[in-house]
Amino acid sequence: AQSVTQPDIHITVSEGASLELRCNYSYGATPYLFWYVQSPGQGLQLLLKYFSGDTLVQGIKGFEAEFKRSQSSFNLRKPSVHWSDAAEYFCAVDPYSGGYQKVTFGTGTKLQVIP
Amino acid sequence: EAGVTQFPSHSVIEKGQTVTLRCDPISGHDNLYWYRRVMGKEIKFLLHFVKESKQDESGMPNNRFLAERTGGTYSTLKVQPAELEDSGVYFCASSSFGEGLNEQFFGPGTRLTVL
Repeated sequence: AQSVTQPDIHITVSEGASLELRCNYSYGATPYLFWYVQSPGQGLQLLLKYFSGDTLVQGIKGFEAEFKRSQSSFNLRKPSVHWSDAAEYFCAVDPYSGGYQKVTFGTGTKLQVIP
Repeated sequence: EAGVTQFPSHSVIEKGQTVTLRCDPISGHDNLYWYRRVMGKEIKFLLHFVKESKQDESGMPNNRFLAERTGGTYSTLKVQPAELEDSGVYFCASSSFGEGLNEQFFGPGTRLTVL
């Protein structure tokens, strides 16, 4: 069965500092990979996704993620964090087999941004 | 364009009572998904509708949960009778149906507390 691991439950960074959130997945083949963000009181918003091709994916709000097949990782990065980035971030995978989606999420990483 | 909406935003009930959660997907989206996040755990897939039909209900925890999508528009998720372990946040998502994997748009969730 597929699984997603986000080893960091909680991360605190200073505003303006760089950020990297880790994600590792376990699946027989390369699944579709996603990062979602949930701000307080909001639904999950898609930050970026990887299907194939260039392993460095650009997303919204200045985020990017790099797919590394050899490490089964899909880490999320941002060069300079803003206070509004404080939220919970979820990595997710989808094998997209049979033409229907079935997304598996990680446990999430809560990001705190300090002035 | 209105996003995915869920009602209620919060529900507090006692063990043994019945609760019905509602999800209104984005207009025209044939795919509708239910997910649940129990405190501190990952967001887990519950089931998937394609129009009014259940495509995949493998994530439904037990027969106390009943999901419906009459007419292929909004969906309800009923828990009867509710147990303490049903507490969590229930998310709904919808996506259009077409070639390839389409983005799931998530609602803000319903926080269910069973006392």
